[in-house]
Amino acid sequence: DAKTTQPNSMESNEEEPVHLPCNHSTISGTDYIHWYRQLPSQGPEYVIHGLTSNVNNRMASLAIAEDRKSSTLILHRATLRDAAVYYCILRDRNAGNMLTFGGGTRLMVKP
Amino acid sequence: DAGVTQSPTHLIKTRGQQVTLRCSPKSGHDTVSWYQQALGQGPQFIFQYYEEEERQRGNFPDRFSGHQFPNYSSELNVNALLLGDSALYLCASSLVGTGVTYEQYFGPGTRLTVT
Repeated sequence: DAKTTQPNSMESNEEEPVHLPCNHSTISGTDYIHWYRQLPSQGPEYVIHGLTSNVNNRMASLAIAEDRKSSTLILHRATLRDAAVYYCILRDRNAGNMLTFGGGTRLMVKP
Repeated sequence: DAGVTQSPTHLIKTRGQQVTLRCSPKSGHDTVSWYQQALGQGPQFIFQYYEEEERQRGNFPDRFSGHQFPNYSSELNVNALLLGDSALYLCASSLVGTGVTYEQYFGPGTRLTVT
């Protein structure tokens, strides 16, 4: 799987939007961009995924650059419950559904 | 609808011993993957089972083995435990049968401590 680069940590204020960046300059045409998050003392939780177009769901939005070399996970109004480690993962759709996690971004939300 | 369940929650073993961890997938899911998460790191893929066979394997030694049962539940076995095997072991399930897989659902994990 291609590698991703994320900041180690970010801080946000409660009820403000959060933009979590991810660089994946070596992404291939068959790589999906997945985001998972891991709350303290829990297993990872699926957030969103996309291929080329921007995506929205009830949890977040995913903005994908036109050249697909970067993406941004957007939490529209951060809550204290959103404090977690967020992982940006590339998954080759032709290579099974193994996920290769990096270090992720630890998001801290201040009240 | 029950999610992914794992047992036991915590386990303490001695070096050289063997351990078996168990996982029941989310209802309707047919594929189980196992991950190892060391403290402060992201999860690392161990292997995946589908149709009772190992389909993919990560960079883990043969001491790590698994099994999937006809009801899709799975076991992870680790032989000759080392101190470095101390970690959180996560099970994830997904639906592969349709050929389209997106989300994986993770269980809460089993915390293994090797002394």
